[in-house]
Amino acid sequence: SQQGEEDPQALSIQEGENATMNCSYKTSINNLQWYRQNSGRGLVHLILIRSNEREKHSGRLRVTLDTSKKSSSLLITASRAADTASYFCATPTGGGNKLTFGTGTQLKVEL
Amino acid sequence: ETGVTQSPTHLIKTRGQQVTLRCSSQSGHNTVSWYQQALGQGPQFIFQYYREEENGRGNFPPRFSGLQFPNYSSELNVNALELDDSALYLCASSLSNRNTEAFFGQGTRLTVV
Repeated sequence: SQQGEEDPQALSIQEGENATMNCSYKTSINNLQWYRQNSGRGLVHLILIRSNEREKHSGRLRVTLDTSKKSSSLLITASRAADTASYFCATPTGGGNKLTFGTGTQLKVEL
Repeated sequence: ETGVTQSPTHLIKTRGQQVTLRCSSQSGHNTVSWYQQALGQGPQFIFQYYREEENGRGNFPPRFSGLQFPNYSSELNVNALELDDSALYLCASSLSNRNTEAFFGQGTRLTVV
């Protein structure tokens, strides 16, 4: 079963615009992670935010976490065509680093 | 590049056959997890190996089995293949079985016909 649900399922924007993706999850978490996947290939880890953090930045990425609402958001600023990919949130469940993924957001950045 | 390598990259098998997928974890990583990703879905956790022992299993039948070797590389075996087993199989290695980031390989695309 999917722990998280991403919203929207698909997003199309112009290069230079910002892209915001949201993730909701169901159970208490230790941390929440965001991954990117290009064209059905392997996933690339983007950022990890711990449950005691509210916001984290990495380059053009900004992640927020609201544990009271069980939700997180990923903001990509000044998007580029190379950002076109699927983005997933994931949470460790059942102890240890066993990740439960959401359904993903397909982002398309057009020139 | 994450340093996690999977082989083969693509595979076609017939229903009822058996398949073995392989994964070499990133240097220094003692934890390997396997995921199944159906088309248009997020990855689903199959099982995890930590220091050669199974350390958790998702909702997959016993015909999905695995191994981890002393060098921490791993195999995923699937017996009695079914059409619904067609998917991208992803291997991920982690520094430990604690809550850390996972490094994924490029996956093996399995097609069952």
